[in-house]
Amino acid sequence: DGGITQSPKYLFRKEGQNVTLSCEQNLNHDAMYWYRQDPGQGLRLIYYSQIVNDFQKGDIAEGYSVSREKKESFPLTVTSAQKNPTAFYLCASSIGGSLREARRADTQYFGPGTRLTVL
Amino acid sequence: RKEVEQDPGPFNVPEGATVAFNCTYSNSASQSFFWYRQDCRKEPKLLMSVYSSGNEDGRFTAQLNRASQYISLLIRDSKLSDSATYLCAVILSYNTDKLIFGTGTRLQVFP
Repeated sequence: DGGITQSPKYLFRKEGQNVTLSCEQNLNHDAMYWYRQDPGQGLRLIYYSQIVNDFQKGDIAEGYSVSREKKESFPLTVTSAQKNPTAFYLCASSIGGSLREARRADTQYFGPGTRLTVL
Repeated sequence: RKEVEQDPGPFNVPEGATVAFNCTYSNSASQSFFWYRQDCRKEPKLLMSVYSSGNEDGRFTAQLNRASQYISLLIRDSKLSDSATYLCAVILSYNTDKLIFGTGTRLQVFP
């Protein structure tokens, strides 16, 4: 089955520790995204990548880092510099790339999310 | 003014009712519009893309009003299983893939 997977589902971290969240997709999508959702709030964009080996900061990139070494994978590291890391983290992907002129190329599909709690 | 705004609700409606949500957006050049459904503690799932001519999928109808800069979602014959939060999302300009989400409208359908 094609889809987007995120692991782990739940993650607990002590203050001062870095932690990496996994996101993998086998949809052959060019574009991938990381969002954060806090209770009662909408999704906020952390980082996004339109192609392998390239990524851009979103609206709340401070305290986070990403890499895009493979098309299928877009891991997010939450560093100790992130002041309020407890949140629901969602990864998404879209066709993007050379098909972006097509309407459906920008439709984003989400993974099941990772709930991060800082103790 | 927020880039994308929704009434947070909740909208409490009986089964069988028709309910409509609106979502306003700030950039008149916005090109792509979506409705997502999010169940409690789950990921958003695409409900519908919103096309200029409006589109319908079973009990769900989405419309775009460019003049007033809003999209709408109409749910007919509400089911208990429609209870969820409905998020609108907008790509604000052509040269970006950035999807801006509203905070969501909560719908509760009761028996």
